[in-house]
Amino acid sequence: DTEVTQTPKHLVMGMTNKKSLKCEQHMGHRAMYWYKQKAKKPPELMFVYSYEKLSINESVPSRFSPECPNSSLLNLHLHALQPEDSALYLCASSLTGFDEKLFFGSGTQLSVL
Amino acid sequence: GNSVTQMEGPVTLSEEAFLTINCTYTATGYPSLFWYVQYPGEGLQLLLKATKADDKGSNKGFEATYRKETTSFHLEKGSVQVSDSAVYFCALEVPSGNTGKLIFGQGTTLQVKP
Repeated sequence: DTEVTQTPKHLVMGMTNKKSLKCEQHMGHRAMYWYKQKAKKPPELMFVYSYEKLSINESVPSRFSPECPNSSLLNLHLHALQPEDSALYLCASSLTGFDEKLFFGSGTQLSVL
Repeated sequence: GNSVTQMEGPVTLSEEAFLTINCTYTATGYPSLFWYVQYPGEGLQLLLKATKADDKGSNKGFEATYRKETTSFHLEKGSVQVSDSAVYFCALEVPSGNTGKLIFGQGTTLQVKP
């Protein structure tokens, strides 16, 4: 299994809603990532977990809250988002986090109304 | 600081044409370099990588050579196919804490016409 699975594929939410994005991998990878990608732009790193501990937080607003319950799962909790947060949210994983291939999921297309 | 600059697209080619997408970087030290490809509606996939100067990465007919003297990592393919139509991202990896962090270029859209 060389897949990173993200759910849901599409999400529409209001600015007062609370929702969560989920990401799962069963490759034994110990580094997991959240990226945000706006249309026709490169992915921007948001968070990195290494061995289930938060390793990098790229000064992301607190309305985005990551969680890594175990080495296979990564969640992104969303609360009080703004319309400008609408984007494709990509999860990725790699074996240990250095010099390695990142495996990306297909993403969650998020629309904030 | 660390950055990646790619040629602007879109690049439009006929099938079987030769492809070059330019990529130059600015970095301290000797970062690993990557090319990722993103097909419509999908996440990114690693196309190839190189971890030190003069390394050549290759995959699916694509090649790129790590040139330290010109700080470049240009992507080439001898004969493109319609199925190569996608967005191509050049990236470098810098250490950050106990992991690496990818810094992407702006992406270059390739359109191949039959």
